[in-house]
Amino acid sequence: GAVVSQHPSRVICKSGTSVKIECRSLDFQATTMFWYRQFPKKSLMLMATSNEGSKATYEQGVEKDKFLINHASLTLSTLTVTSAHPEDSSFYICSAAGTSGTDTQYFGPGTRLTVL
Amino acid sequence: GENVEQHPSTLSVQEGDSAVIKCTYSDSASNYFPWYKQELGKGPQLIIDIRSNVGEKKDQRIAVTLNKTAKHFSLHITETQPEDSAVYFCAAGTSGTYKYIFGTGTRLKVLA
Repeated sequence: GAVVSQHPSRVICKSGTSVKIECRSLDFQATTMFWYRQFPKKSLMLMATSNEGSKATYEQGVEKDKFLINHASLTLSTLTVTSAHPEDSSFYICSAAGTSGTDTQYFGPGTRLTVL
Repeated sequence: GENVEQHPSTLSVQEGDSAVIKCTYSDSASNYFPWYKQELGKGPQLIIDIRSNVGEKKDQRIAVTLNKTAKHFSLHITETQPEDSAVYFCAAGTSGTYKYIFGTGTRLKVLA
């Protein structure tokens, strides 16, 4: 149980384009989803927290107009990187939480974004 | 601000030996402590967790201990195997928020 998927697993795009990443909780309803960014050999950097049906809460220094987050249902959240630039290239990971009686975040497999 | 310190940053052990990773947290409100294993190019996977109302939890070769007074918690892996090689992250969270503060990670290498 508690499986989280992400799509796509890898994406290469040209500078200036937008990219959408989907995060789905497959076997539970996620009241809260998180989006992280991870640089090589570094820890997880929280970008934003989203609750179903509400606006996302962004961490300090994360541009909300650049990283659009939508949590339209209890099983789906999306992250859209708008007008991507090479410095946005990174490993993006989502997690989902909300299974009854636990405080656990379950992570997706991550999306490797490369912006040319 | 609140933080979680994790040590060591890298750890090499011989196959069959034990590995210990230690974390210290600063937020007194923290009461949930998960440990994650991350293999290269993959998302973190929960391997064990502990709540502040217990001092130790064990699951086969993996155990976690918690000293709430000292704000320390540790991961113990016994009889290590090459497939245990990965990056391990500790985290500290507070019930009901689902939000964690992560440690900086420990790269464990088990030498065959």
